[in-house]
Amino acid sequence: QSALTQPVSVSGSPGQSITISCTGTSSDVGGYNYVSWYQQYPGKAPKLIIYDVSKRPSGVSIRFSGSKSGDTASLTISGLQVEDEAGYYCSSYTSISTWVFGGGTKLTVL
Amino acid sequence: QVQLQESGPGLVKPSQTLSLTCTVSGGSVTSGPYYWSWIRQPAGKGLEWIGRISTSGGSMYNASLRSRVTVYIDTSKNQFSLNLSSVTATDTAVYYCARRSGLLSAFDVWGQGTMVTVSS
Repeated sequence: QSALTQPVSVSGSPGQSITISCTGTSSDVGGYNYVSWYQQYPGKAPKLIIYDVSKRPSGVSIRFSGSKSGDTASLTISGLQVEDEAGYYCSSYTSISTWVFGGGTKLTVL
Repeated sequence: QVQLQESGPGLVKPSQTLSLTCTVSGGSVTSGPYYWSWIRQPAGKGLEWIGRISTSGGSMYNASLRSRVTVYIDTSKNQFSLNLSSVTATDTAVYYCARRSGLLSAFDVWGQGTMVTVSS
C-alpha cells in the first residue's frame, strides 16, 4: 500500500485560507469516506482534527474543514493563525482493511 | 479520559526483536469496540501504520511488515504490545501507540511516542 500523496509544504499569511490536498486511489481515499487529518507539532504526537472526511472532534476549531472529491481529499484552514504552523497528515482506510497515511505537509504561517 | 503510554528499550541491535508495550490508563483495553494500533515515524518523515489488535483479539498488519510483526493484548496488565523481528537501521523511528474507536474511522487517542534506535 503506497503512501497517500500530499504537498511537502504550503504557506499562508495570518487571516488567509489554505488548502492541503491528499491524493490516493480508488482502493483507499476514493473508495471510503474514512479519511482523517492530524496536526502534529515538532516533538509531539499527532492530534486528530478531522475524521470521516469532514467531521470535527469536539474541541477542534471550526476553522478546520475537510472535503473529498474522487480520489483526493482536502483539508482547509481558514483564518490562518500563527499557532496553525505545524505538520499535517492525512490518513485513509484501505480495501485490504489496513490504514495508510500521507507523507505529511509542513504549513508555514508567514 | 483514556491515556496511552509507550515503554520499552530505546536501543535495539540489528537482527534482534524490537519489543514495545503500551499501557492503557483511564479505561480498559478490553472495553470497546476499540482497535489498538502501533504507528511509527522515522525522523523527519511521515507516519506509517504498523498494525492493530481489536478488543476481541483479532489482528491486522501492514503488508510490508506482516512477516515480522506481532501485536497482542495482555488483559491482566491492561496493555497491548508490539514485537518487530529482524530489525535493521530502517526500523529506527519514533513509535506511537494509538486507539481507534469503533465509532470513528480515525485514531483519536495517541501515546506520546517513544524513540527506538537500531544500532550495534
